[in-house]
Amino acid sequence: DARVTQTPRHKVTEMGQEVTMRCQPILGHNTVFWYRQTMMQGLELLAYFRNRAPLDDSGMPKDRFSAEMPDATLATLKIQPSEPRDSAVYFCASGEPGQGARNEQFFGPGTRLTVL
Amino acid sequence: LAKTTQPISMDSYEGQEVNITCSHNNIATNDYITWYQQFPSQGPRFIIQGYKTKVTNEVASLFIPADRKSSTLSLPRVSLSDTAVYYCLVRKYGGATNKLIFGTGTLLAVQP
Repeated sequence: DARVTQTPRHKVTEMGQEVTMRCQPILGHNTVFWYRQTMMQGLELLAYFRNRAPLDDSGMPKDRFSAEMPDATLATLKIQPSEPRDSAVYFCASGEPGQGARNEQFFGPGTRLTVL
Repeated sequence: LAKTTQPISMDSYEGQEVNITCSHNNIATNDYITWYQQFPSQGPRFIIQGYKTKVTNEVASLFIPADRKSSTLSLPRVSLSDTAVYYCLVRKYGGATNKLIFGTGTLLAVQP
């Protein structure tokens, strides 16, 4: 049963520290998305990649956030320096072209980040 | 992408049929309507997608009128485990590789 995996599942850190979140998309999926979910803002798209190239990162605060895909099996989202307002659940999702009627994105379990 | 509007919350009882309606007045010709479900502490999960008329799968049915300005997700005989947030989204056709814009969703609470 193919799944998107994310690590760590939980992260507690202090303001100013660097945070790195990792995502392993489903093998063969060529598009990877990063979403953030908070009570106030709901689910927001931060950035996404297709064939490892960044397509859209307009939802991401550029001064402290960065997203990369070093290879097809790993996507990373970094926050440096972290701030309390970054506390949220960060979801990674992956998708593949040509699914026809389903057109489904598969979401990972999320990383719950708390910045003190 | 067209904005969607759906009720913030709904209540139901086990065994009932639940219909959640979503409006998307500015839907474009090449837009599809997609519904996702999210349980607490989990990522969203695809339920169903359609373009027009009716689509049915093992989980739900999706009804889309001819003008496509609204859609209704129908969950037959809900159980307690169907308690979740349901998101209605409008997306461009093109596989699962186009971004999703989530609204506030509908929190469905199923009671015994």
